[in-house]
Amino acid sequence: GESVGLHLPTLSVQEGDNSIINCAYSNSASDYFIWYKQESGKGPQFIIDIRSNMDKRQGQRVTVLLNKTVKHLSLQIAATQPGDSAVYFCAVGYDMRFGAGTRLTVKP
Amino acid sequence: DAGVIQSPRHEVTEMGQEVTLRCKPISGHNSLFWYRQTMMRGLELLIYFNNNVPIDDSGMPEDRFSAKMPNASFSTLKIQPSEPRDSAVYFCASSMGEETQYFGPGTRLLVL
Repeated sequence: GESVGLHLPTLSVQEGDNSIINCAYSNSASDYFIWYKQESGKGPQFIIDIRSNMDKRQGQRVTVLLNKTVKHLSLQIAATQPGDSAVYFCAVGYDMRFGAGTRLTVKP
Repeated sequence: DAGVIQSPRHEVTEMGQEVTLRCKPISGHNSLFWYRQTMMRGLELLIYFNNNVPIDDSGMPEDRFSAKMPNASFSTLKIQPSEPRDSAVYFCASSMGEETQYFGPGTRLLVL
């Protein structure tokens, strides 16, 4: 089965700085990857996704990078804001195997 | 659209009791997923349905857990009998095929 891990369980950044959250996966055949954001007391919320035929995709203030060679996925948040404070999950595959999550804290 | 609807939002019950969690997926979505989230184990996929048919239930912890989807707009997750270790937040999510999953607000279950 899929093994999905995160490099850091917590990340603290200053407001306005850029944030980078990383994720590693084990199944080289995986072809669909999603980042979710979960705020306290709420369900995970879709942020951005990427398919294996791409190595980069940009959204509003967010960028996902996919390195299939080393089976690594990252989420970059530009100009991090206090509202970005949440737990971020990567999910792999269409059956959504989730990583453990990284808690992002934004300091004002 | 109201999004994925789950009920109840909170459930407190005693060990041994039956618990039924309910989910209404987003209209038009044909895939439905049940997850459990705990501090220790994170977010775990329990089971998912496609066109009302269970596709993968390998995540269901044991026979005490069962899930049904009698029609495209309703699913239940039942725990009988419940145990304290079942205490968790249970999420339902739906999607259109292999597209993005949309999560409900979750049901917070506490088994005493």
